[in-house]
Amino acid sequence: DVVMTQSPLSLPVTLGQPASISCRSSQSLVHSDGDTYLSWFHQRPGQSPRRLIYKVSNRDSGVPDRFSGSGSGTDFTLKISRVEAEDVGIYYCMQGTHWPLYTFGQGTKLEIK
Amino acid sequence: QVQLQESGPGLVKPSETLSLTCTVSGGSVSSYFWNWIRQPPGKGLEWIGYIFYTGNTNYNPSLNNRVTISVDTSKNQFSLQLSSVTAADTAVYYCARADARIRNGMDVWGQGTTVIVSS
Repeated sequence: DVVMTQSPLSLPVTLGQPASISCRSSQSLVHSDGDTYLSWFHQRPGQSPRRLIYKVSNRDSGVPDRFSGSGSGTDFTLKISRVEAEDVGIYYCMQGTHWPLYTFGQGTKLEIK
Repeated sequence: QVQLQESGPGLVKPSETLSLTCTVSGGSVSSYFWNWIRQPPGKGLEWIGYIFYTGNTNYNPSLNNRVTISVDTSKNQFSLQLSSVTAADTAVYYCARADARIRNGMDVWGQGTTVIVSS
């Protein structure tokens, strides 16, 4: 099974400063079709998760451009260029390459310093 | 705009079967793949399984064959049954739609429903 490992697990950030979250997979996420199915989700306190990014770097509709995703193979990164108060919560990476089994990372909790 | 709403008992006794339903509005269950995901208190997300409207299913092997997901196209609903529950099954349960490109994961989520397993 594919294991997704995020770091850090806790991320205190000052408002207006950048933030970066790493996600590593135990197997390559490059699918035989050439695409890499790595998504990022954000879960605000008390809310459902919301997908931010799919296929490594594609932002979902309505996601601010301060969010960006990058990476390849087994190493991926979510970056927030300037953290805003609404960005607090838990961020999860998820692989879909090895569907029909989805696997989430353990989550990274972003908080404001 | 598609919306999902989970419903079902909030309290289930150990060894019994947990049953939840997800009602789809603003769209049809007769397309896309439909998923259940859960989140134990203070923990991360765990994918439980999915169903396609044809009845095709797949489940997370970690749940040891305790899961059944079904669909009722006439009611525009799909359901989750989890048998032989223990306290470890206490969680917020979410239903979610998978993207048309299914490997992209879930693009629409319900608000979640809390299920506590306790006698």
